[in-house]
Amino acid sequence: GQNIDQPTEMTATEGAIVQINCTYQTSGFNGLFWYQQHAGEAPTFLSYNVLDGLEEKGRFSSFLSRSKGYSYLLLKELQMKDSASYLCAVRDRGGNTPLVFGKGTRLSVIA
Amino acid sequence: GAGVSQSPSNKVTEKGKDVELRCDPISGHTALYWYRQSLGQGLEFLIYFQGNSAPDKSGLPSDRFSAERTGGSVSTLTIQRTQQEDSAVYLCASSLVGGGNEQFFGPGTRLTVL
Repeated sequence: GQNIDQPTEMTATEGAIVQINCTYQTSGFNGLFWYQQHAGEAPTFLSYNVLDGLEEKGRFSSFLSRSKGYSYLLLKELQMKDSASYLCAVRDRGGNTPLVFGKGTRLSVIA
Repeated sequence: GAGVSQSPSNKVTEKGKDVELRCDPISGHTALYWYRQSLGQGLEFLIYFQGNSAPDKSGLPSDRFSAERTGGSVSTLTIQRTQQEDSAVYLCASSLVGGGNEQFFGPGTRLTVL
């Protein structure tokens, strides 16, 4: 079966750095995505990794290790507006087939 | 440049009634996806359309669920004889062709079955 695990909730302080981990066991692998979802809103794309290593985009970075089935999302210089759920998702088939999502990590940024 | 739109934004219905949910994808996006998000659960894939190919219905939870996509654009998800466990947010997404292309999500339809 398909399994994507990430912590349910995390809390971090404004200005700090937080790392959200994601481990996956899927029948295939064709890329890993991170999405941000504010309460009551649609998920919005943050990052995509298909090769091992770190992808940096502003305050957000995402890392992938395919051999370990592991990814993390790193958020730097946290702001209050970063309080949201962060969804890890894997494409387990080729092309632009549907994604398999984890349950999401709810991040609370406190002053 | 409009994004993905969905209607209605909220739908309350009685158990046993049929409902139709609509999705307008981004113009030019050939791939269209339906997911649902239940409280405390991750997004669950329902059905996927790609161009003129037969849809991938492998995620539909029962034969009460069906979807169609007319003219390669607008899609309608139909749930017949709704049950309370169908209550969820139904999200539509679209994307361009290509494995690395992101999916753009609509705002969702919150369905409540009483």
